[in-house]
Amino acid sequence: EADIYQTPRYLVIGTGKKITLECSQTMGHDKMYWYQQDPGMELHLIHYSYGVNSTEKGDLSSESTVSRIRTEHFPLTLESARPSHTSQYLCASSTGYNSPLHFGNGTRLTVT
Amino acid sequence: KQEVTQIPAALSVPEGENLVLNCSFTDSAIYNLQWFRQDPGKGLTSLLLIQSSQREQTSGRLNASLDKSSGRSTLYIAASQPGDSATYLCAVRLLNAGGTSYGKLTFGQGTILTVHP
Repeated sequence: EADIYQTPRYLVIGTGKKITLECSQTMGHDKMYWYQQDPGMELHLIHYSYGVNSTEKGDLSSESTVSRIRTEHFPLTLESARPSHTSQYLCASSTGYNSPLHFGNGTRLTVT
Repeated sequence: KQEVTQIPAALSVPEGENLVLNCSFTDSAIYNLQWFRQDPGKGLTSLLLIQSSQREQTSGRLNASLDKSSGRSTLYIAASQPGDSATYLCAVRLLNAGGTSYGKLTFGQGTILTVHP
């Protein structure tokens, strides 16, 4: 049973639109992460946060931005979507580095 | 740069068979290693987490082992069932110079497991 929620589940938008992918968790976890996953490929970290007002870029170059104003909320924003952004975006959280990572069900984004 | 490789890429077995999935990593200075399961169109579910000081972890029919010196981990599934069909991913968290971790996980590409009745 997932205690981390992502919306929307699916999104199809046109090029140039601004979008925000929502991620919320009810577990009080300090650490939150955004991963990008293409079909059949490994997950790549695009952003992470250690706590409120803390955000860092991950390993994969991304044109997205994130914010962490509240512990439970970690939205990801694309200012101008492009077809190259078409992918699955997975949000995750954990209490610490020796704790399992909990994932949401993902947002599958298609940019036409 | 840490690289994680999973072999085989896909595996199909009859129900009831015991099986082993393999994960190898290039940098042995790891903080921990996790095994996940991913069902089609879903997020990942954590199965087992092995600390760098541990050799194995068990949960039900699952047993994961870790050999840091050789850069290998295995996930053993006993008496496989059709419900075990999914993609299995391993991920390693690196140790930093201070003896803790930066927290970032490096994932393998996964093994697609099909258990047929």
